[in-house]
Amino acid sequence: GAVVSQHPSRVICKSGTSVKIECRSLDFQATTMFWYRQFPKQSLMLMATSNEGSKATYEQGVEKDKFLINHASLTLSTLTVTSAHPEDSSFYICSASRQAGDEQFFGPGTRLTVL
Amino acid sequence: GESVGLHLPTLSVQEGDNSIINCAYSNSASDYFIWYKQESGKGPQFIIDIRSNMDKRQGQRVTVLLNKTVKHLSLQIAATQPGDSAVYFCAEGAWMDSSYKLIFGSGTRLLVRP
Repeated sequence: GAVVSQHPSRVICKSGTSVKIECRSLDFQATTMFWYRQFPKQSLMLMATSNEGSKATYEQGVEKDKFLINHASLTLSTLTVTSAHPEDSSFYICSASRQAGDEQFFGPGTRLTVL
Repeated sequence: GESVGLHLPTLSVQEGDNSIINCAYSNSASDYFIWYKQESGKGPQFIIDIRSNMDKRQGQRVTVLLNKTVKHLSLQIAATQPGDSAVYFCAEGAWMDSSYKLIFGSGTRLLVRP
């Protein structure tokens, strides 16, 4: 139990385009989902916290208009990287919790490459 | 535990030896600590956790030690195997800005020599 999936697993796009990444909790309902970014040889950095049915809370330095997060159901959160640029190339990882404060279950990550 | 640039500290051990990976955390309000294993191109994999009211917890071949006085966490892996080669991250959990968040340490690469 407690499986989290991400789609796509990897995506390559041209500079200036937008890319949507999906995060799904497959066998449980998640009231809270988190989005992390990981650059090569670095740690996971929390980008935002997403609660079902409400606006996401972004960490300092993360542009909410560039990284659009939607958590429309208890099993799905999406991250849209708008007008992507090469510096947005990174490994994006989501996690999901049944309730705030519960254990986070991590997805397998999405490798984004912006040309 | 401070986040560094593009260089991950590396621990190289002989297969069969014990490994000890250390982590310093920063938030005295953190009440939950987790060790994750991350293989190349994959998401973090839960290894073991410990709550702040404990100082030691054991799993299968792994032990986590918590020293709250000096804000230090360690992961001990017994009889290290080639499959243990990966990057290991500690994470501290705390309520921040009305959300329960995990803050990850900078990571240590474990290389197991056959």
